[in-house]
Amino acid sequence: DTAVSQTPKYLVTQMGNDKSIKCEQNLGHDTMYWYKQDSKKFLKIMFSYNNKELIINETVPNRFSPKSPDKAHLNLHINSLELGDSAVYFCASSQGRGPFTDTQYFGPGTRLTVL
Amino acid sequence: AQKVTQAQTEISVVEKEDVTLDCVYETRDTTYYLFWYKQPPSGELVFLIRRNSFDEQNEISGRYSWNFQKSTSSFNFTITASQVVDSAVYFCALSGRTNAGKSTFGDGTTLTVKP
Repeated sequence: DTAVSQTPKYLVTQMGNDKSIKCEQNLGHDTMYWYKQDSKKFLKIMFSYNNKELIINETVPNRFSPKSPDKAHLNLHINSLELGDSAVYFCASSQGRGPFTDTQYFGPGTRLTVL
Repeated sequence: AQKVTQAQTEISVVEKEDVTLDCVYETRDTTYYLFWYKQPPSGELVFLIRRNSFDEQNEISGRYSWNFQKSTSSFNFTITASQVVDSAVYFCALSGRTNAGKSTFGDGTTLTVKP
C-alpha cells in the first residue's frame, strides 16, 4: 500500500548512458514532483506536473526530461548521463496544484550512481 | 525570492536531552506555509508538520513541538527527551505564493542522538 513508489531504488550506470526512473502515486493527488538531493543532502526541486501539465521547470540540463502519462505517474528520463548526475532523486506528490498550500508526500528515493 | 536558513549543520546530543533545531526564513509573501520533514538514515523523507503564516499557535505532538514566531521569521523545532531513533536529517521548508508555489528547502540539520 505504498503511497508514492519509485523504481528502481538503486541505479548504477556508466557515463553516457540513458536511463529512466519511474514514479507512481496511489493517493489520488493532482500534482507530482521530482527533486534532486546531492551528496551534501541539499534538496532542489526539478520539475512539477499538475494533471499531466508541466507547471514547474527549474533550470536543469535539457538532458533531463519528465514524462507524465497520467496524473498518477511521473517518470524522469535522463540522457547522456554525467558524473555530476549522481544523486538521490525523490518523487513527491501533493493534493492540489502545487506545494504552496499542500503537503508533499515523498517516495523512497532512487540513488543514481554514474561511473 | 524566498530563503530558508538552518544555521545548525550538525547537532549531537545524548539521549534524553532536549534539543532545538532552528529555522529562519525570508519571504515577501504575506501568505505562506512552513514545513518540517525528517530524513532518517534509511533515506526516506517523512512529513512532520505544516503551518500557515496566519497561525502562530505553537504545536505539540508527543515529544515534538514547534515554535512559530513571525516577528523573528522563525519556525523552530524542539524534541524533548530525545531518543536514538530521532537521529536523522531534519529539513525546514517554505512555500510562498509568489514563488510559483515552489517549496524552498533549508540545507538540513543532521541530528545525532547518542545512547
